[in-house]
Amino acid sequence: DAKTTQPPSMDCAEGRAANLPCNHSTISGNEYVYWYRQIHSQGPQYIIHGLKNNETNEMASLIITEDRKSSTLILPHATLRDTAVYYCIVRANYGGATNKLIFGTGTLLAVQP
Amino acid sequence: DGGITQSPKYLFRKEGQNVTLSCEQNLNHDAMYWYRQDPGQGLRLIYYSQIVNDFQKGDIAEGYSVSREKKESFPLTVTSAQKNPTAFYLCASSMGGTGGMETQYFGPGTRLLVL
Repeated sequence: DAKTTQPPSMDCAEGRAANLPCNHSTISGNEYVYWYRQIHSQGPQYIIHGLKNNETNEMASLIITEDRKSSTLILPHATLRDTAVYYCIVRANYGGATNKLIFGTGTLLAVQP
Repeated sequence: DGGITQSPKYLFRKEGQNVTLSCEQNLNHDAMYWYRQDPGQGLRLIYYSQIVNDFQKGDIAEGYSVSREKKESFPLTVTSAQKNPTAFYLCASSMGGTGGMETQYFGPGTRLLVL
């Protein structure tokens, strides 16, 4: 799986958009970009994933650059409950042991009131 | 509501004791996983199961055992052979099969502490 690079921490004002960047310059053609988040002492929560097109769901939007070497997760209106560690993971969609998730250090997003 | 449940939320183990962590899912997923998370660390795969009555070792299976007798259930036993069991244990499931999306969904976790 490709290595990802994320800033260790970010702040965001409540009600504003939170834009979390991720670099994955060694991504290969069959690898997807996944985003999870983990609120303290809880299990990771799936947010969104994409291959090359931008994606949007009820939680967030994912913007992937044309060369696929970086992406941005956008939380359009951050709330205090969005304070968590956000993980960007790049992986192919295969089963078995290759399906294990490799979490890096992630970005600690602190939403400020 | 569909989802993954884990119990108990906190578990205490005495020296030489085996303990079993429960994981149940009603998502009709074929594949299930157990991970371990240590403070400030990422997840490490302990065991996984792609289908009922089948399971495979992950990266850190020593000192652990699992069973998969039912599709909905994938219990993890932490044996006395596991010398450093204090950690946060996470169960996950995914649809399984080949060629499909293998997004994993997680339970709330069990925190195991050694007395």
